[in-house]
Amino acid sequence: GDSVTQMEGPVTLSEEAFLTINCTYTATGYPSLFWYVQYPGEGLQLLLKATKADDKGSNKGFEATYRKETTSFHLEKGSVQVSDSAVYFCALSDVAGGTSYGKLTFGQGTILTVHP
Amino acid sequence: DGGITQSPKYLFRKEGQNVTLSCEQNLNHDAMYWYRQDPGQGLRLIYYSQIVNDFQKGDIAEGYSVSREKKESFPLTVTSAQKNPTAFYLCASRPPGLSYEQYFGPGTRLTVT
Repeated sequence: GDSVTQMEGPVTLSEEAFLTINCTYTATGYPSLFWYVQYPGEGLQLLLKATKADDKGSNKGFEATYRKETTSFHLEKGSVQVSDSAVYFCALSDVAGGTSYGKLTFGQGTILTVHP
Repeated sequence: DGGITQSPKYLFRKEGQNVTLSCEQNLNHDAMYWYRQDPGQGLRLIYYSQIVNDFQKGDIAEGYSVSREKKESFPLTVTSAQKNPTAFYLCASRPPGLSYEQYFGPGTRLTVT
């Protein structure tokens, strides 16, 4: 079945450092890929998405490129802020022959802490 | 403002009691989902519904039940048959069409003692 693997955390960075959180996936068909962010005690917010190979999703300085050849969707940000401290989830949707019910498969999440 | 509301934010129950978690959306979405989140883990799908009066089991449906009598509402009941009910429960909905992202509510933290 479909699966998503994220780099293990937690990740601790100083403000203005470069961020990479690795995400690789296994899926049949052509999934859409997502990054979600969760702040303490809250629900998940969609951060960015990509729907086909070579698409780049971007939002709030975060970027991720859909790499079909390496089955990856790594999250990057050039300069992190304290306010970026949160849990980040990589996810894929099952899209199979147009009959998908839109289930999302999530990675286990990566905790990011940014220090001033 | 459109969105998804879940209530209450915190819920405490004694073991052996059934409890119902509320999920309401005013986004006019047909598809709705319930996920369970445990510490250090990703989200796991409990139930989903693509349309009113229809719902399907997800990956971990045992010990849970749902109903979908209205488009706006998708309540989840955690029954006494659920062995480890203490968790964070998230409701989500999805726009119609080929957009597969889901939008999440703020969650309900259920503690059963």
